[in-house]
Amino acid sequence: GENVEQHPSTLSVQEGDSAVIKCTYSDSASNYFPWYKQELGKRPQLIIDIRSNVGEKKDQRIAVTLNKTAKHFSLHITETQPEDSAVYFCAASREETSGSRLTFGEGTQLTVNP
Amino acid sequence: GAVVSQHPSWVICKSGTSVKIECRSLDFQATTMFWYRQFPKQSLMLMATSNEGSKATYEQGVEKDKFLINHASLTLSTLTVTSAHPEDSSFYICSADGRSNTGELFFGEGSRLTVL
Repeated sequence: GENVEQHPSTLSVQEGDSAVIKCTYSDSASNYFPWYKQELGKRPQLIIDIRSNVGEKKDQRIAVTLNKTAKHFSLHITETQPEDSAVYFCAASREETSGSRLTFGEGTQLTVNP
Repeated sequence: GAVVSQHPSWVICKSGTSVKIECRSLDFQATTMFWYRQFPKQSLMLMATSNEGSKATYEQGVEKDKFLINHASLTLSTLTVTSAHPEDSSFYICSADGRSNTGELFFGEGSRLTVL
């Protein structure tokens, strides 16, 4: 099955700096890669996703890049703000063959210091 | 976006009792729902895939007789933790495949189970 690894497990940045979180996956057939933000005790919230037919996607301060050859994808947050502090999870799935059966990375605790 | 509602949001029970958690898709039909378990400061681990009208598919290491899943309608899936023990205390989250144009998976609010 799919195995997703995520790094770093914790990340502390100053407000205004950029934050980068990286994930690797093992199943070359995976084609859907979402990123979720989870605040303590809350449900995961989708913040951005990318499919295997594109290499990069951007939404305001958030961007995701995908390298299919190397089987890794990254989340980039620019101009970080204290409200960006949360746990971020990457995930991967074979969207077409098994619905949206996601395999999650271990998570990254992001802390943005004012 | 689509709404998935989960109930109860938290529950405390005595060891040996059973607890039922409901997951409802409020504004769309979900032929497939997923149940995840999340221990403190850990990732979401898929427990099982719930398919409407058929038996659930369990992940390796998840006891199907302990975690009973029923998906009797296109809008409701239930997870029953039978004979709960303290080690079953966790955050249980369901998600539904709404087959939206974006492909997004919609999560319930989660249910915090504490077994005394």
